[in-house]
Amino acid sequence: AQSVTQLDSHVSVSEGTPVLLRCNYSSSYSPSLFWYVQHPNKGLQLLLKYTSAATLVKGINGFEAEFKKSETSFHLTKPSAHMSDAAEYFCVVSGINDYKLSFGAGTTVTVRA
Amino acid sequence: KAGVTQTPRYLIKTRGQQVTLSCSPISGHRSVSWYQQTPGQGLQFLFEYFSETQRNKGNFPGRFSGRQFSNSRSEMNVSTLELGDSALYLCASSSASSYNEQFFGPGTRLTVL
Repeated sequence: AQSVTQLDSHVSVSEGTPVLLRCNYSSSYSPSLFWYVQHPNKGLQLLLKYTSAATLVKGINGFEAEFKKSETSFHLTKPSAHMSDAAEYFCVVSGINDYKLSFGAGTTVTVRA
Repeated sequence: KAGVTQTPRYLIKTRGQQVTLSCSPISGHRSVSWYQQTPGQGLQFLFEYFSETQRNKGNFPGRFSGRQFSNSRSEMNVSTLELGDSALYLCASSSASSYNEQFFGPGTRLTVL
């Protein structure tokens, strides 16, 4: 079975400063990993995905994530936070031929003006 | 291309009633998955359908059921509603070639009184 652990339940940053959201995964084989974002009262939007190609994955809205097998991590970063980045972020794992996604508990991001 | 649509967006029911939620996937997507989102349990997988067949099921009681039609539209049904069934129910669709890259609808907010 595979699972993810999001290490921070809440992250607060100032506008224009970097954002780091931490995620560790557990999987018995090479996983597919994703980051999704959920704005208030909205559905989930896919930010980026890792599927065993390049370890540095670029996503939408300036986000990127790096897959580190030795650390079993898949942290999400953005160089400069914008007010519109305030939302909840989910790290997600899926296994081989696994038709379900397993979600982390989520990290709420607050952006201060 | 239109996204995943879910109807209705909001529902209020009383304990003991049953409810049916509907999901229309992205055109061409044949896989539909359902998730329940609650503040306490987070996002949990309910079930997944492909070509009218349930391929995977989460750990939910038999009161939760679903089906998929030949046009890939899906419905989920919850019978004998309990207060704890109050949640945001999210539907996601994916293509056969990229089954774990799921695109989510806006959700149906169910409140059980």
